[in-house]
Amino acid sequence: GNSVTQMEGPVTLSEEAFLTINCTYTATGYPSLFWYVQYPGEGLQLLLKATKADDKGSNKGFEATYRKETTSFHLEKGSVQVSDSAVYFCALNAGNQFYFGTGTSLTVIP
Amino acid sequence: NAGVTQTPKFRILKIGQSMTLQCTQDMNHNYMYWYRQDPGMGLKLIYYSVGAGITDKGEVPNGYNVSRSTTEDFPLRLELAAPSQTSVYFCASVGRGQGGNQPQHFGDGTRLSIL
Repeated sequence: GNSVTQMEGPVTLSEEAFLTINCTYTATGYPSLFWYVQYPGEGLQLLLKATKADDKGSNKGFEATYRKETTSFHLEKGSVQVSDSAVYFCALNAGNQFYFGTGTSLTVIP
Repeated sequence: NAGVTQTPKFRILKIGQSMTLQCTQDMNHNYMYWYRQDPGMGLKLIYYSVGAGITDKGEVPNGYNVSRSTTEDFPLRLELAAPSQTSVYFCASVGRGQGGNQPQHFGDGTRLSIL
């Protein structure tokens, strides 16, 4: 079956620290992969995506590379800001459905 | 750009009451989804639709019903509210047939408490 396993949180970092949130997946075929971000009281917003192996998605300083050999899609940012505090979800799309990880809460302190 | 609009934003129900959560999108997306998000958890799929007149069950459909009479609207109905249905409900949509895999667009959610 299809599933996403995401790094447990919460994660607390100081401003300008390096961020990695791990995500691995199980899927049949060739899924598309996504990272979404959720700010308090809001819905999920697309952060970045990758649709095939070795693709790198990037947005707002965040990056993730689709690694088929390790079935991973880890999220990275070189220097986090207080405004990056949110919950991050890894997701995959296979067929008609989307499958989400449990989310990782990030708090960035000044 | 309205995107995906959910109403109401908040609601408190008594056990056994019924209600409909509304979801409408103005992007002409053919696929629509309902999820619930429990505290500290990911999203669980309740129902989805691949087009008007077509609906299908997701992971947790019990206690819910949906209909899809138009492309724009995808209401979710709770017939006999139970405390276990206290959650945040998200509606999402995505367009298909445009080439490539597109991301979902989400509404801001409906926060439902059942007491």
